[in-house]
Amino acid sequence: GENVEQHPSTLSVQEGDSAVIKCTYSDSASNYFPWYKQELGKRPQLIIDIRSNVGEKKDQRIAVTLNKTAKHFSLHITETQPEDSAVYFCASQRGGSYIPTFGRGTSLIVHP
Amino acid sequence: DAGVTQSPTHLIKTRGQQVTLRCSPKSGHDTVSWYQQALGQGPQFIFQYYEEEERQRGNFPDRFSGHQFPNYSSELNVNALLLGDSALYLCASSPARGSSYEQYFGPGTRLTVT
Repeated sequence: GENVEQHPSTLSVQEGDSAVIKCTYSDSASNYFPWYKQELGKRPQLIIDIRSNVGEKKDQRIAVTLNKTAKHFSLHITETQPEDSAVYFCASQRGGSYIPTFGRGTSLIVHP
Repeated sequence: DAGVTQSPTHLIKTRGQQVTLRCSPKSGHDTVSWYQQALGQGPQFIFQYYEEEERQRGNFPDRFSGHQFPNYSSELNVNALLLGDSALYLCASSPARGSSYEQYFGPGTRLTVT
């Protein structure tokens, strides 16, 4: 089955710095890559996603890049703010599947 | 739109007991998936229900079973509880068709097995 590796497990930055979280996947048939944010005690929520026909996608301060050849994708957060503090999960899915395989998560801590 | 709802919020059970968790999907969604999220881990897929049938199953034992009702709501049942079943159980809904593959998660049920 699909295996998704996520690094780092913990990331501590100062407010205003950038943060980068990296994931790799194993299933070459995967073509949808969502990122979820889970604040403490809350549900995971989709923050951005990318499909395999696109190399980069940006939404305000967050962006995701995908290298399908190398089977890795990354989340970039610029100008981090304390409210960005949360656990971020990457995931991969096959086309037509509503079943993502999640990474183990990255705990992002943004210090004011 | 109430989004995905789950009940109960918290539950404490003893080893060997049985538990039933409930989920109502987001309005307009007819597919329900269940996930187990252990502390410090990502959600692990348990199974998915569509048209009242289990469509796909993850690597979980038969102690985990489910059901989907005609109104698309769903139940997760776990028999013969083990300490290792302690986790946050998340329900997620999605539309059967459409261009979005997003999973809409509920708030989860925190199960503690003692």
